[in-house]
Amino acid sequence: ELKVEQNPLFLSMQEGKNYTIYCNYSTTSDRLYWYRQDPGKSLESLFVLLSNGAVKQEGRLMASLDTKARLSTLHITAAVHDLSATYFCAVDGVYGNKLVFGAGTILRVKS
Amino acid sequence: EPEVTQTPSHQVTQMGQEVILRCVPISNHLYFYWYRQILGQKVEFLVSFYNNEISEKSEIFDDQFSVERPDGSNFTLKIRSTKLEDSAMYFCASSDSRRAGRNEQFFGPGTRLTVL
Repeated sequence: ELKVEQNPLFLSMQEGKNYTIYCNYSTTSDRLYWYRQDPGKSLESLFVLLSNGAVKQEGRLMASLDTKARLSTLHITAAVHDLSATYFCAVDGVYGNKLVFGAGTILRVKS
Repeated sequence: EPEVTQTPSHQVTQMGQEVILRCVPISNHLYFYWYRQILGQKVEFLVSFYNNEISEKSEIFDDQFSVERPDGSNFTLKIRSTKLEDSAMYFCASSDSRRAGRNEQFFGPGTRLTVL
């Protein structure tokens, strides 16, 4: 059974600081997705990582994928309050159809 | 920009009642999904649907659940006899293809189901 683990589950950080969220998964997959969710809202697609070594950047967020280590990271640079949200990573299931989500990382950026 | 829509946004029902949650996927998408998220927990897969049939379902998706694509645009999730533990946010998602291994799924705004 595919398991996806994120850490930390809760992250409180000061504006302007850098931090990394980690996403580990248990079976071979070369497709990983990052989503953002604001309270009471839907899931917004942030990054699609489709191969080993993939790196994508959008503003202050950068995501990478290491399929050999079964690890993806979401790096936050110089955090701002607007980044406060819950971030989920998700991996294609064994049969490559469903997405299996991590527990989510609640990010709070304090000014 | 095309988006997935869902109705209603909030549904309150009595235990044992039937509910139907409705979704309109993005128009050129071929793969449709239902997920649910119990308050404060992670997003869980329920079912995927392609070519007018279920392609995969989870253990949660038991005989009380069914899905249907009654016409060319709607995709519905029916819960026949709701239980308290069915209270959750239900998300519909769609994706356009698995070409090149890409399975980016676009999520609707969700329906919050409250079972009393």
